[in-house]
Amino acid sequence: AQSVAQPEDQVNVAEGNPLTVKCTYSVSGNPYLFWYVQYPNRGLQFLLKYITGDNLVKGSYGFEAEFNKSQTSFHLKKPSALVSDSALYFCAVRDGGNNRLAFGKGNQVVVIP
Amino acid sequence: DTGVSQDPRHKITKRGQNVTFRCDPISEHNRLYWYRQTLGQGPEFLTYFQNEAQLEKSRLLSDRFSAERPKGSFSTLEIQRTEQGDSAMYLCASSPGTTAGELFFGEGSRLTVL
Repeated sequence: AQSVAQPEDQVNVAEGNPLTVKCTYSVSGNPYLFWYVQYPNRGLQFLLKYITGDNLVKGSYGFEAEFNKSQTSFHLKKPSALVSDSALYFCAVRDGGNNRLAFGKGNQVVVIP
Repeated sequence: DTGVSQDPRHKITKRGQNVTFRCDPISEHNRLYWYRQTLGQGPEFLTYFQNEAQLEKSRLLSDRFSAERPKGSFSTLEIQRTEQGDSAMYLCASSPGTTAGELFFGEGSRLTVL
């Protein structure tokens, strides 16, 4: 069964500094990897995904993520954080052979002005 | 707005009562998912439909839970004889017909069981 680990409960970063949210995964087959963001009282919004190809994928709102097969990681990054990036971020993985998307527990990101 | 819509947004009920949630997916999406999210946790998979066929069910989905998608469009999730442990946010998502496609989520239906 596929699973995701997001080791940090909360990530604090000063506005303008680089932001990294960590994610490691476990699947038996080829991984399909996703990042979602959840703002208060809003549904989960898709940010980006890795299916195949270039290990660095770019997504919405200036976010990007790097797929590292040897470390089974898919860390989310943003070069310069904004206060509006403060939200809950979820990493998710699907084994390429099934339809079930497994989510991590989420990371609260707090960007300090 | 042509996103995924869920109704009701919030339901408060007494233990033992039945509740039903409705989800209207994005119209051209043939895949529909139900997830459950509790405080401090990520969404947990409950069940998946492709068109009207329910193809996967989680072990989390006890006999008190049933989901339908009768015409391959909207879906309902019913919980019978609710328990306090059923209190959670129930999320619906839809996606187009590829396993590589991302899920589009609704804003959820929050259930509070007293």
